[in-house]
Amino acid sequence: DIQMTQSPSSLSASVGDRVTITCRASQGISNYLAWYQQKPGKVPKLLIYAASTLQSGVPSRFSGSGSGTDFILTISSLQPEDVATYYCQKYNSAPITFGQGTQLEIK
Amino acid sequence: QVHLQESGPRLVKPSETLSLTCTVSGYSISSDYYWGWIRQPPGKGLEWFGSIYHSGNTFYNPSLKSRVTISLDTSKSQFSLKLTYVTAADTAVYYCARLNGDYGGFVDNWGQGTLVTVSS
Repeated sequence: DIQMTQSPSSLSASVGDRVTITCRASQGISNYLAWYQQKPGKVPKLLIYAASTLQSGVPSRFSGSGSGTDFILTISSLQPEDVATYYCQKYNSAPITFGQGTQLEIK
Repeated sequence: QVHLQESGPRLVKPSETLSLTCTVSGYSISSDYYWGWIRQPPGKGLEWFGSIYHSGNTFYNPSLKSRVTISLDTSKSQFSLKLTYVTAADTAVYYCARLNGDYGGFVDNWGQGTLVTVSS
């Protein structure tokens, strides 16, 4: 099975900072990669699919890039409401797998 | 607007079968999406169980496949999860979901989730 590894596992940044989270697949998955945001006690929310396509209604400060094995989620200017855990997910083939999550906090 | 709602027992005894149903409204379950189940143990990450298409085509997580059955009832606009021989490790929030793409795809709609506890 293809494993998805996120880094870092946690990070702390200041409001206004540019934040990047990396997701690496153990084998190539083309652009079959999604990113989710999960706020504490809430349901995960789709941010990005097809590696770089922003889901409708998601703020433009979120962006995704990458293809093959290496992917990046970028928040261009961190806002207080972005405190959450972020997950990547590959879906090029079964089984669907998620990264272990990156917990983002405000300094 | 599609809405998914999980239902089923919140407490299951060890070695018994966990059964959950997801009722879908606002969208035809017979249309072009997969429907599936994902769980999240307390304080941990997300784990995909499997996905089913209206044709009956089903994909399962190999690590759970021997214990999992996902089925679909288009007449009731529902799909279901059965997980046999549960242990405390199966305690989790269980989400039903609509998945977009082949093999299940990405999740574009989630149920609110239901916490199922395995305990005697």
